[in-house]
Amino acid sequence: AIRITQSPSSLSASTGDRVTITCRASQGISSYLAWYQQKPGKAPKLLIYAASTLQSGVPSRFSGSGSGTDFTLTISCLQSEDFATYYCQQYYSYPPITFGPGTKVDIK
Amino acid sequence: EVQLVESGGGLVKPGGSLRLSCAASGFTFSSYSMNWVRQAPGKGLEWVSSISSSSSYIYYADSVKGRFTISRDNAKNSLYLQMNSLRAEDTAVYYCASQPSAPYNWFDPWGQGTLVTVSS
Repeated sequence: AIRITQSPSSLSASTGDRVTITCRASQGISSYLAWYQQKPGKAPKLLIYAASTLQSGVPSRFSGSGSGTDFTLTISCLQSEDFATYYCQQYYSYPPITFGPGTKVDIK
Repeated sequence: EVQLVESGGGLVKPGGSLRLSCAASGFTFSSYSMNWVRQAPGKGLEWVSSISSSSSYIYYADSVKGRFTISRDNAKNSLYLQMNSLRAEDTAVYYCASQPSAPYNWFDPWGQGTLVTVSS
């Protein structure tokens, strides 16, 4: 199974900050990576697929990049509604489909 | 509006069984592969099982293989997860999620989840 790591596991930031989260796959996965946002008590929400394609309705302050084994999710100007946990997911090789362990973004 | 609504969760004793359901609306259910993903309390996301649009392809995580069975009824726009021989470590919120056709296996949308608690 392809293992996914994320860093950092948590971070504290202020509204307006630029935030970057990294996701690394244990082997090359081309661009077969998605990013999700999850708020407490809610279901995950798809933000980005194919490593860099923004899902319809997602604000443009979110962006994704990378291919192969290293990927990043960037929030260009953090808003109050962006405080949440973010997960990456590979779908290059399955089963199993695997998720990263998550990155919690909270208020500094 | 595209919607997925899970039901069937609850408290069950170790070794017991439970059947989860997911009702779909607002999209052509029969055209999409479907998945179950779970999240233990305070933990991350774990993919559980997938089923293709016509039920031709079915996959399970090793952690549930032989105990859980995924199925669907396209006439009823419904997805199911039969869970047998439940263990404490199966305690989680279970989400159903749709995905585009392979190889575009990202998950969108998701249901609101249903909580399964395995405890004596």
